Amino acid sequence: SQTIHQWPATLVQPVGSPLSLECTVEGTSNPNLYWYRQAAGRGLQLLFYSVGIGQISSEVPQNLSASRPQDRQFILSSKKLLLSDSGFYLCAWSRPPAHEQFFGPGTRLTVL
Amino acid sequence: TQLLEQSPQFLSIQEGENLTVYCNSSSVFSSLQWYRQEPGEGPVLLVTVVTGGEVKKLKRLTFQFGDARKDSSLHITAAQPGDTGLYLCAGAGGGGADGLTFGKGTHLIIQP
Repeated sequence: SQTIHQWPATLVQPVGSPLSLECTVEGTSNPNLYWYRQAAGRGLQLLFYSVGIGQISSEVPQNLSASRPQDRQFILSSKKLLLSDSGFYLCAWSRPPAHEQFFGPGTRLTVL
Repeated sequence: TQLLEQSPQFLSIQEGENLTVYCNSSSVFSSLQWYRQEPGEGPVLLVTVVTGGEVKKLKRLTFQFGDARKDSSLHITAAQPGDTGLYLCAGAGGGGADGLTFGKGTHLIIQP
């Protein structure tokens, strides 16, 4: 069976500090991978998606970036965090051509 | 930009009552997913509907996809406290690797 992991589960960072969130998927190969941010009252916002190693598409221009160094690893990064980066970050995977996405447990990021 | 409007935003009812929540759009989707999310966790996929007019049942939950594939509804019969959560609908576009378009969700509370 497939599982998806995210860490850390919670993170408190000062403004201007760097960020690295990691997501790994087990039990499948060549998945599509996604990063979402969920802010209160705003639903899920797609940040990045990837169809393969080194292939990243950005949906929203911002100070975040994503990388996929391995087939089942997806990393979300920032060089300098902003207050507005606070939120609940979710990683998800899907197996094309199906559209169903399966989510990780999420990372709660608070920027102070 | 495809938008999904969910209604109501908040719903609090007594255990044993029936309820329906709605997901509407002016756009056509190739498929539509329903997810349930509990606080501090990632969304969990409940069902995918693909064909216009399709009805799917999952125990006490009944999902319907509109004939024109622009809207969907979720009906819960004899609601239980365990049904409490955030219900999200998400629409998929025409077969791309891009992420789903999510509604903002319906916050459902079932009071014992």
